[in-house]
Amino acid sequence: AQKITQTQPGMFVQEKEAVTLDCTYDTSDPSYGLFWYKQPSSGEMIFLIYQGSYDQQNATEGRYSLNFQKARKSANLVISASQLGDSAMYFCAMNLRGTYKYIFGTGTRLKVLA
Amino acid sequence: KAGVTQTPRYLIKTRGQQVTLSCSPISGHRSVSWYQQTPGQGLQFLFEYFSETQRNKGNFPGRFSGRQFSNSRSEMNVSTLELGDSALYLCASSLEGGDYEQYFGPGTRLTVT
Repeated sequence: AQKITQTQPGMFVQEKEAVTLDCTYDTSDPSYGLFWYKQPSSGEMIFLIYQGSYDQQNATEGRYSLNFQKARKSANLVISASQLGDSAMYFCAMNLRGTYKYIFGTGTRLKVLA
Repeated sequence: KAGVTQTPRYLIKTRGQQVTLSCSPISGHRSVSWYQQTPGQGLQFLFEYFSETQRNKGNFPGRFSGRQFSNSRSEMNVSTLELGDSALYLCASSLEGGDYEQYFGPGTRLTVT
């Protein structure tokens, strides 16, 4: 069965520092997409970044980058130059192509310290 | 462009009752997914609709059902409510689902007493 694992329930980072949020996934299907979402305390989920399983390069979106290591089945989110507004829950998610079913990890709560 | 809207935002129901939640996707989006979010179980996929057809569903009992209308608006229904159904129900819309990113609504907070 497909699974997403986020082993860090909570993390702290100093403002302006970089932080890596871990995500490992489990699937035997070769075609899948990986997503990261942010959920601030207000509750609304916000899409951050996407990586397809056949993408050769790691995805980047502004201060967000996805460190995709296919052989290790990991898709870590890297946030550079952390800001106080980055404090939120972060979820890693997977979609198997053609299934239209999305599996989410349990999330990592990030706190940025001033 | 208006975002995903969900109504109602808060709901209190009694065990045994039924409830219908509504979701209006972003204009032009044809895929709508529903999730249940609880502190214990996290975000769990309920079902996904595209052009009025359910393309997949999660592992939830038959009490949970949904539908999508021709204008892509979607509803989900929970019959015979149980205390464990108390949760935040999130709706997400996407252009076509799959590899396309999802845009989430603010959710409906359901409390079952």
